[in-house]
Amino acid sequence: NAGVMQNPRHLVRRRGQEARLRCSPMKGHSHVYWYRQLPEEGLKFMVYLQKENIIDESGMPKERFSAEFPKEGPSILRIQQVVRGDSAAYFCASSPRGVLANTGELFFGEGSRLTVL
Amino acid sequence: QKEVEQDPGPLSVPEGAIVSLNCTYSNSAFQYFMWYRQYSRKGPELLMYTYSSGNKEDGRFTAQVDKSSKYISLFIRDSQPSDSATYLCAMSVYGQNFVFGPGTRLSVLP
Repeated sequence: NAGVMQNPRHLVRRRGQEARLRCSPMKGHSHVYWYRQLPEEGLKFMVYLQKENIIDESGMPKERFSAEFPKEGPSILRIQQVVRGDSAAYFCASSPRGVLANTGELFFGEGSRLTVL
Repeated sequence: QKEVEQDPGPLSVPEGAIVSLNCTYSNSAFQYFMWYRQYSRKGPELLMYTYSSGNKEDGRFTAQVDKSSKYISLFIRDSQPSDSATYLCAMSVYGQNFVFGPGTRLSVLP
């Protein structure tokens, strides 16, 4: 399966704990996007990364959230000191092309569902 | 006013019907317009992509963009039960920061 792989699919955390969500893009894709989806709401852009670079983090909360896409290994979305409002589905998407060349072909993973107790 | 608005539905139609799904938006700078389909508990998958105004057809699906009205549509002909899903419109200025609508839930009844 050469699709976008996200893990874990489901994650339960207690308030104050840390959540780490991983995303391996499709083979050959070097652009990764993270989105958050709440029930009955659309996907909300969080961050756009290329290898070792954060290109756009305008949708990322200023505190407790961070993202990285190292030279080797998956992209990681990290949420520190989780609160109940962080409960959501977090989707990762990858694309083979970047800004201006992207034709909307975002390939999404199946999401990681975070539940904060 | 939200940047992208979409009727959440649910929309129920009989098999074989023509379905019309719509989005309106407020940012006149949007140039790239997409429709994604999302099955329950799955990630979205791209259905149609359109640049600027005009129509695009792909099989049973037709996408229309009217930039003057800030209005986009997706038409599904001869709808099938397998089309039952949530349909998300998405748009972008530079093909980078995609803004998604909240989605319309469609049920095609056999």
